[in-house]
Amino acid sequence: DGGITQSPKYLFRKEGQNVTLSCEQNLNHDAMYWYRQDPGQGLRLIYYSQIVNDFQKGDIAEGYSVSREKKESFPLTVTSAQKNPTAFYLCASSIAGLTEAFFGQGTRLTVV
Amino acid sequence: QKEVEQNSGPLSVPEGAIASLNCTYSDRGSQSFFWYRQYSGKSPELIMSIYSNGDKEDGRFTAQLNKASQYVSLLIRDSQPSDSATYLCAAAGDSGGSNYKLTFGKGTLLTVNP
Repeated sequence: DGGITQSPKYLFRKEGQNVTLSCEQNLNHDAMYWYRQDPGQGLRLIYYSQIVNDFQKGDIAEGYSVSREKKESFPLTVTSAQKNPTAFYLCASSIAGLTEAFFGQGTRLTVV
Repeated sequence: QKEVEQNSGPLSVPEGAIASLNCTYSDRGSQSFFWYRQYSGKSPELIMSIYSNGDKEDGRFTAQLNKASQYVSLLIRDSQPSDSATYLCAAAGDSGGSNYKLTFGKGTLLTVNP
């Protein structure tokens, strides 16, 4: 099945810890995205990548880091510098710029 | 920073009625527009894409784009209770030439009453 797989579905983090959220796609899409969604809020762009080994900051990149070593994979690390990391994290991909994006099922991160 | 604005709602319509959802965007460089539906606790799913001025119809859904007014809308005909969800408007492209930046509005909550 073609699609976007995010793991884990639920993640609990202790304060001061870094955690990495996985996102893999087998759609052969060039572009990949990470968004954060808080209750009652829309999607806010964290990072996006147009091509392997290249990525750009979105609107709320502080406290997050990414890598794009393979076309299929775009992991997001939530660092201890992110002051309020509890949120629903969504990964998406699109075949190119200006085209529709498709989403994974999301990872719900909770700081305990 | 480009913005996509939507009324947060909730918008409540009776079953069988037409639901009208609106969206405005601030960056005239935006070129492509999308409507997504998001059920509570789930990820967004694409409903419609629209790239040029005018109307685009797909089943019960019609998307309308007016680039001069920087306005996008979604009409849902014969609304069903299963259409109850949050509808997100998104814009791609900006005046800085970033074709890959995809910006979302905060969404409009639609409730269809049986």
